[in-house]
Amino acid sequence: SAVISQKPSRDICQRGTSLTIQCQVDSQVTMMFWYRQQPGQSLTLIATANQGSEATYESGFVIDKFPISRPNLTFSTLTVSNMSPEDSSIYLCSVNRGPGDEQFFGPGTRLTVL
Amino acid sequence: DAKTTQPPSMDCAEGRAANLPCNHSTISGNEYVYWYRQIHSQGPQYIIHGLKNNETNEMASLIITEDRKSSTLILPHATLRDTAVYYCIVRPWGSNYQLIWGAGTKLIIKP
Repeated sequence: SAVISQKPSRDICQRGTSLTIQCQVDSQVTMMFWYRQQPGQSLTLIATANQGSEATYESGFVIDKFPISRPNLTFSTLTVSNMSPEDSSIYLCSVNRGPGDEQFFGPGTRLTVL
Repeated sequence: DAKTTQPPSMDCAEGRAANLPCNHSTISGNEYVYWYRQIHSQGPQYIIHGLKNNETNEMASLIITEDRKSSTLILPHATLRDTAVYYCIVRPWGSNYQLIWGAGTKLIIKP
């Protein structure tokens, strides 16, 4: 299995500020994904982080709000910009090592925006 | 939208087998059935997946009907630590396909 760590594990932020979440994997992986899980809800895919190119965003998510970096095959960041209370969620990093492999998930970052 | 339907919640007595159903009547021939679970305040955890044959691993068994329109995840001897939300997902084989998450089944194991 892949071991995934996320930083920070939780944070409380003020409206209008930005937070960058880091995702580190213990091995090189093909695919990295960022999900959002709002309180009491299921997971929603934000984007696929592509190594060496721009992320691929799902409908309803835009780069200006959720810029993503992926400088190499083991690391990615997600920034939540100009935050509002509606951004309060758990943000999860997920990876897939190759075709047919199951997805592994990080522990999540619990964000509260006041 | 998710291609699966699951009951919103289920209870099971500790030590008993927990049988979690999932309907996926529109499943395509190249789509696998995956099961994940999410224990409170943790990231989702992979459990098992299958195409058409029954599968078993150290965590669970997966029974897929012959027409592949439904499946059942079986936790043979449920413990309190199995209390979680269980998600049934169908997706094609390959890393380029995202998981589409439904609401899942909240399984509560009772002492």
